[in-house]
Amino acid sequence: GQSLEQPSEVTAVEGAIVQINCTYQTSGFYGLSWYQQHDGGAPTFLSYNALDGLEETGRFSSFLSRSDSYGYLLLQELQMKDSASYFCAVRAGYGQNFVFGPGTRLSVLP
Amino acid sequence: EPEVTQTPSHQVTQMGQEVILRCVPISNHLYFYWYRQILGQKVEFLVSFYNNEISEKSEIFDDQFSVERPDGSNFTLKIRSTKLEDSAMYFCASRDHTGAGALEQYFGPGTRLTVT
Repeated sequence: GQSLEQPSEVTAVEGAIVQINCTYQTSGFYGLSWYQQHDGGAPTFLSYNALDGLEETGRFSSFLSRSDSYGYLLLQELQMKDSASYFCAVRAGYGQNFVFGPGTRLSVLP
Repeated sequence: EPEVTQTPSHQVTQMGQEVILRCVPISNHLYFYWYRQILGQKVEFLVSFYNNEISEKSEIFDDQFSVERPDGSNFTLKIRSTKLEDSAMYFCASRDHTGAGALEQYFGPGTRLTVT
């Protein structure tokens, strides 16, 4: 089967740094993506890792270790607007099958 | 900025009725997707579509579901005989096929389907 695990909730204060982990077990692996979803909104793309290592995009960074089937999203200088759900997603097949994790609800406190 | 659009934003239907959810992907994208999200739960992959045919589908996408690209701009999801458990938010997404844009799926705002 295909499964991804993420913490269900994370809480942090403005200006802090938070790391959201994702572990996966899938039949195939072509890359790990991260999406942000505000309540009532659509998922929006944050980052994608196909190879091991760290990808940085502004305040957000994403890391992948394929040997450990593990990745994380790092959010720095947290702002109130970062309060949202964050999903990791694995492209599990060349035929475009994307499997999403259960999501992590991030609450940023003042 | 180009965006994926979906209509209607909210659809209410009775159990057993057919519904068609409509999407207009970004114009130069070649990969199209349907996902669903039951309230408070994760996003679930339904189907991907490329070159006018289904490239992959999940276990959820059974014979009740079908997709079509009836013209050069629209991409539709049909549910033939809706069940109560089909109530969810349905998202359409599209993706480019080359370059850095090939990594990112652009999601539409979703259609909330309520089956009564």
